[in-house]
Amino acid sequence: AQSVTQPDIHITVSEGASLELRCNYSYGATPYLFWYVQSPGQGLQLLLKYFSGDTLVQGIKGFEAEFKRSQSSFNLRKPSVHWSDAAEYFCAVSDQTGANNLFFGTGTRLTVIP
Amino acid sequence: NAGVTQTPKFRILKIGQSMTLQCTQDMNHNYMYWYRQDPGMGLKLIYYSVGAGITDKGEVPNGYNVSRSTTEDFPLRLELAAPSQTSVYFCASSSLNSNQPQHFGDGTRLSIL
Repeated sequence: AQSVTQPDIHITVSEGASLELRCNYSYGATPYLFWYVQSPGQGLQLLLKYFSGDTLVQGIKGFEAEFKRSQSSFNLRKPSVHWSDAAEYFCAVSDQTGANNLFFGTGTRLTVIP
Repeated sequence: NAGVTQTPKFRILKIGQSMTLQCTQDMNHNYMYWYRQDPGMGLKLIYYSVGAGITDKGEVPNGYNVSRSTTEDFPLRLELAAPSQTSVYFCASSSLNSNQPQHFGDGTRLSIL
């Protein structure tokens, strides 16, 4: 069965520093992977997605993620964090059934200090 | 462009009461979903629908019911509210194309006391 693990519950970084959020997935075939961001009191916004092809995926707001099949990972990165990036980040995998249901990790909360 | 609209945004219920959480999307998406999000947890799928008249259970369907009479609307009903159903509920929708992501509403925060 598919599942997602986000090992880091909470990460704190300084503004301007680089960021990497970890995501490990379990899925039998080539996965469809997603990163979503949730600001307080808001719904989830898609940052980026991976279906196939180039393993380095560019997203919105300067984020990127790299799919590594050998490590079953899909880590999210940003070279320089802005204070507005403080939010909750969720990694998800699709079950690729007719409805493409998503299975989410437990999330990583990002705090940005000035 | 409204996207996915959920009402109400907040609600407090007493144990045993019933209510319906409303969800409407204006993107003509075939697929719609209901999730719940508990503190410190990711989203869990309650029910989903692949089109009008078709619904199916997700991971955590107990205590909930859904219907899909139109493409636009996908209400979620709690018949006998229990404290364990205190959560934030999100509705989402997506198109038929499997390469398209799900679009989420802003959520309904529900407390059952």
